[in-house]
Amino acid sequence: DTEVTQTPKHLVMGMTNKKSLKCEQHMGHRAMYWYKQKAKKPPELMFVYSYEKLSINESVPSRFSPECPNSSLLNLHLHALQPEDSALYLCASSNRAANEKLFFGSGTQLSVL
Amino acid sequence: AQRVTQPEKLLSVFKGAPVELKCNYSYSGSPELFWYVQYSRQRLQLLLRHISRESIKGFTADLNKGETSFHLKKPFAQEEDSAMYYCALMDSTLTFGKGTMLLVSP
Repeated sequence: DTEVTQTPKHLVMGMTNKKSLKCEQHMGHRAMYWYKQKAKKPPELMFVYSYEKLSINESVPSRFSPECPNSSLLNLHLHALQPEDSALYLCASSNRAANEKLFFGSGTQLSVL
Repeated sequence: AQRVTQPEKLLSVFKGAPVELKCNYSYSGSPELFWYVQYSRQRLQLLLRHISRESIKGFTADLNKGETSFHLKKPFAQEEDSAMYYCALMDSTLTFGKGTMLLVSP
């Protein structure tokens, strides 16, 4: 299995809702990432987990809360989001080496109303 | 701070024409550079990386440290090459350029 699987593919939520995005990989990768991608823009890094510990938080607002329950799973908990948070949220994984390629999921398209 | 610059937002060519997608970088050290591609309605995927010195789908990219460039080239573009191309630099994290949309017309 060489895929990163993200669910749901699409999500519409109100500003008072609480929802979670899920990401799963079974490639034995020990680094997992959340990226945010606006339309026609490059992906922007949000969080990096390395060996199930949060290693990088790119000054992301606290309404986004990542969680790595085990080496195969990565969640992103969402609460009190704003309409400007609407974007494609991408999960990725890699072996933990600086020059290793990232495998990306197909993303969750999030719309905040 | 590392930075990746892709000067062209859009590159439009005819089928069979040569293609060069430009990428320049700034980095204090030996860079690890990648090209990622995003076809319409598909996930972002690695096209090639400089350490492999490989050719994928006819594309090549050579690291030029003197010019701090990693341009992506293909001698004869195909319609199926139409996609968004991102140059990226890896340090502790992967930093993407703004991307170049390649449109190959018949």
